[in-house]
Amino acid sequence: AQSVTQPDIHITVSEGASLELRCNYSYGATPYLFWYVQSPGQGLQLLLKYFSGDTLVQGIKGFEAEFKRSQSSFNLRKPSVHWSDAAEYFCAVGLASNDYKLSFGAGTTVTVRA
Amino acid sequence: SAVISQKPSRDICQRGTSLTIQCQVDSQVTMMFWYRQQPGQSLTLIATANQGSEATYESGFVIDKFPISRPNLTFSTLTVSNMSPEDSSIYLCSVEARQNTEAFFGQGTRLTVV
Repeated sequence: AQSVTQPDIHITVSEGASLELRCNYSYGATPYLFWYVQSPGQGLQLLLKYFSGDTLVQGIKGFEAEFKRSQSSFNLRKPSVHWSDAAEYFCAVGLASNDYKLSFGAGTTVTVRA
Repeated sequence: SAVISQKPSRDICQRGTSLTIQCQVDSQVTMMFWYRQQPGQSLTLIATANQGSEATYESGFVIDKFPISRPNLTFSTLTVSNMSPEDSSIYLCSVEARQNTEAFFGQGTRLTVV
């Protein structure tokens, strides 16, 4: 069955420390991959996306993600976290064969402590 | 990019009533999607709204409960019918993600059923 897994429900990180959020997918083909952020009371904002090409993708707000086909993973990273990065992060997957409908992971809540 | 406007942004409704959510896009798109985000949960696709044809519903969602209209290429509505407290969620409209583009989301409609 197709699925998107975010193993970490909640991560707490100190301001200035690095952050890595995990995402694994289970699909028959290589999907299109996305990371979205949702701040409290806000809509979804796209951080970055991977369709093809360079497997290290740069996004907004200093985030990057690396696609690893062998591990079926698309982990999100940020070298130095700011207090404003506290939010809910969703990994999402789409398939061209499925009209690009998105399947979302359960989300990871990031708390930033001073 | 696409700008999506959703109305209302929030509402509190009595059980047994219905609410219609509107989604307006500033450009023509082929497919629009409706998602539900239950409290503390991830996003789940309700249905795909295609212009000129009936919406396609995902498993667990039916037309009688969530009727959808798509009268043109820039507008769609989702109705939540005969509401119960379990329908309290954020409902989000999204437009298609095609290669080298992103999936754009509206700000969502926060529905509380009392």
